[in-house]
Amino acid sequence: ILNVEQSPQSLHVQEGDSTNFTCSFPSSNFYALHWYRWETAKSPEALFVMTLNGDEKKKGRISATLNTKEGYSYLYIKGSQPEDSATYLCAFIDNAGNMLTFGGGTRLMVKP
Amino acid sequence: EAQVTQNPRYLITVTGKKLTVTCSQNMNHEYMSWYRQDPGLGLRQIYYSMNVEVTDKGDVPEGYKVSRKEKRNFPLILESPSPNQTSLYFCASSFLPLAKNIQYFGAGTRLSVL
Repeated sequence: ILNVEQSPQSLHVQEGDSTNFTCSFPSSNFYALHWYRWETAKSPEALFVMTLNGDEKKKGRISATLNTKEGYSYLYIKGSQPEDSATYLCAFIDNAGNMLTFGGGTRLMVKP
Repeated sequence: EAQVTQNPRYLITVTGKKLTVTCSQNMNHEYMSWYRQDPGLGLRQIYYSMNVEVTDKGDVPEGYKVSRKEKRNFPLILESPSPNQTSLYFCASSFLPLAKNIQYFGAGTRLSVL
């Protein structure tokens, strides 16, 4: 079983703060990394699919970077809002290309 | 509307009583997968299917069976459920390759095995 870790496990921030968290994955046999946003009582929803070293993706106030050589990806949220409160999941895909290994998630809580 | 539909959403059963959780997608996706989510452990892949009649074990397949007789359906079967299979289950689907395509998740099935 591959080791995909996310840190921190949980994070409390004030509305308006910018924040970031990390997904670490095996640097060998990398194929792709997915980021998902999972709100309580809902289904996970995709944010980004990342494949190339140095990739940067952006969706509104959320952005992500990828470093495949050292095995990490950062997710950034600029000016956090209460509606950003959710668990953020990363999923690693190795070069067999057929399975996703999820990290444990970072639970973000944004206080108004 | 594009969606992944799981049924039932909630299920309470007893040890040893066979059950099936259905999953259906209307997006013509080749790839379908089942995950379970347990506190502190994140999502773990149970089984996946790359296409009709092609299924493979994920990280935690013990105690589960699947079938993929039609492209749209991917049922999860628990032949003899045990309490350690109490969990939140998600079905997901996507186009291939996974490197370029996001997963679409169903609403989840919360299973309790007494």
